[in-house]
Amino acid sequence: RKEVEQDPGPFNVPEGATVAFNCTYSNSASQSFFWYRQDCRKEPKLLMSVYSSGNEDGRFTAQLNRASQYISLLIRDSKLSDSATYLCVVNGDTGNQFYFGTGTSLTVIP
Amino acid sequence: EPEVTQTPSHQVTQMGQEVILRCVPISNHLYFYWYRQILGQKVEFLVSFYNNEISEKSEIFDDQFSVERPDGSNFTLKIRSTKLEDSAMYFCASFRDRGGEQYFGPGTRLTVT
Repeated sequence: RKEVEQDPGPFNVPEGATVAFNCTYSNSASQSFFWYRQDCRKEPKLLMSVYSSGNEDGRFTAQLNRASQYISLLIRDSKLSDSATYLCVVNGDTGNQFYFGTGTSLTVIP
Repeated sequence: EPEVTQTPSHQVTQMGQEVILRCVPISNHLYFYWYRQILGQKVEFLVSFYNNEISEKSEIFDDQFSVERPDGSNFTLKIRSTKLEDSAMYFCASFRDRGGEQYFGPGTRLTVT
């Protein structure tokens, strides 16, 4: 059983496009949800936490659907610098363990 | 801006040897983690550490692995007898508040030959 599942992509989109990534998680007791980005051979960096009511940070919008155990990330007006792998992260039921998805690869094309 | 540091950046070792990977978490953080990422695969949780003891460990974290916080700043991961399949990037992470943002170090690339 995979704790977190993501579409690996790759997503190749032109600059300015809107792109959406989805993630599902298996543990209904999970309480903390995050999107991280990871550049090639670098460490993951937090993009945004995901709150129950949904949240927005500039061009990025995250949504959580607890009933469906589903998380999404929307990127509007894609920039070349958005090219990276986007990781969905969910905590386990004890709160001490974090599960990462395999990541979704995004390439923004000029 | 404070950051998590890790040394060495790359470690090459022979199968069966012991390695110690070092991390200096952000100074006022309370929760410390080790993860690994095999090339091309996902980031995998190894162990979490809080209040000077392991709070949780994964199935990967078997008897070959141990962690220590020998002083107020360092957090180490020891692999007693390395195997070829231990070759991976090892990331240390720390955070202050449970459920809060984890700050990752740049990683140590371990190559076992």
